Amino acid sequence: GENVEQHPSTLSVQEGDSAVIKCTYSDSASNYFPWYKQELGKRPQLIIDIRSNVGEKKDQRIAVTLNKTAKHFSLHITETQPEDSAVYFCAARQAGTALIFGKGTTLSVSS
Amino acid sequence: NAGVTQTPKFQVLKTGQSMTLQCAQDMNHEYMSWYRQDPGMGLRLIHYSVGAGITDQGEVPNGYNVSRSTTEDFPLRLLSAAPSQTSVYFCASSYRDRVGGYTFGSGTRLTVV
Repeated sequence: GENVEQHPSTLSVQEGDSAVIKCTYSDSASNYFPWYKQELGKRPQLIIDIRSNVGEKKDQRIAVTLNKTAKHFSLHITETQPEDSAVYFCAARQAGTALIFGKGTTLSVSS
Repeated sequence: NAGVTQTPKFQVLKTGQSMTLQCAQDMNHEYMSWYRQDPGMGLRLIHYSVGAGITDQGEVPNGYNVSRSTTEDFPLRLLSAAPSQTSVYFCASSYRDRVGGYTFGSGTRLTVV
């Protein structure tokens, strides 16, 4: 089955810096790659996703890149703000199956 | 439109007891899944369903049963609770192939003593 590795497990940045979180997946049949943000005590919320026929997608300060050959995808957050502090999860899925998640990255943005 | 509704929000069980965590969605989503979240372990897939009458095991299915008799409901049964099942449980649903990802319920915090 699918296996998703996520790095780093913790990431501390200064406000205004960029943050990058990387994930690798094992199943070449996976074709959907979302990123979720989870604040303390809350449910995970989808922040951006990408499909396997697209190499990059941007939404304001957030972008995701996908390298199908290397089977890895990354989340890029620019101009970080304290409210970006949260746990971020990557996930992967192929058609007909459920999302498999990475173990998460705790992002801390200090002002 | 309530989205994904999970009940109860909190539960304390004694070892050996059984219970059912309820999950219902009103978005006509085909896919539904159960995850457990433990510190440092991320979200681990317990069971999932791609439609009414169809279920499959995930990464950590032992000790749990599911059924999907309707599109709306996907209950998770703990057969004989163990302390190792202390966790936060999330139910999630999505359309089959439409962009948008999973919608998560608010979670059930379960403690087994």
